Amino acid sequence: TQLLEQSPQFLSIQEGENLTVYCNSSSVFSSLQWYRQEPGEGPVLLVTVVTGGEVKKLKRLTFQFGDARKDSSLHITAAQPGDTGLYLCAGAKAAGNKLTFGGGTRVLVKP
Amino acid sequence: SQTIHQWPATLVQPVGSPLSLECTVEGTSNPNLYWYRQAAGRGLQLLFYSIGIDQISSEVPQNLSASRPQDRQFILSSKKLLLSDSGFYLCAWSAQGARETQYFGPGTRLLVL
Repeated sequence: TQLLEQSPQFLSIQEGENLTVYCNSSSVFSSLQWYRQEPGEGPVLLVTVVTGGEVKKLKRLTFQFGDARKDSSLHITAAQPGDTGLYLCAGAKAAGNKLTFGGGTRVLVKP
Repeated sequence: SQTIHQWPATLVQPVGSPLSLECTVEGTSNPNLYWYRQAAGRGLQLLFYSIGIDQISSEVPQNLSASRPQDRQFILSSKKLLLSDSGFYLCAWSAQGARETQYFGPGTRLLVL
């Protein structure tokens, strides 16, 4: 059973469209991270959110941490082919050394 | 700046052969170190993590073991590989003061035939 559920599992859109990826849990996390991974490479950290209700923007990417710190979303505006990849969310529990990863959302942006 | 290296990048091994994957970190001291396995296109499963030399925790029962002979070196091993050991193996590090933020190596793709 995944502690962090990501949806959808796969998303295919045209260049210029918007998309949202969700990361949900019944557990509370002290922080939540989003990573992007390209085939054959390691995940690259995009953002860390730590405060309930927090919103962070990274160019066309907007990340939100839920008020109760149980869920998060990633919104991409005007997606480009370079946004294609596997998006992973990962949560950290307070006083822990480990991250729990979601199952990932594969995003394909077609030119 | 910190960098993390993994080798080899790709490995094809027969069933029953031994395995040794190496991970090293540069530019930081006393990092937390992690080994993950990733099924194709899916999330990461934590296999082992280490908070210091010879301090290793195993997350799932399996055919693999880990060792940390030096502060910035983390090794994943097996005495006899199984077909089910095939996958993409990722090493990661985090700072002691910011353990929730992990940085990943380039990964090793292992194919057991």
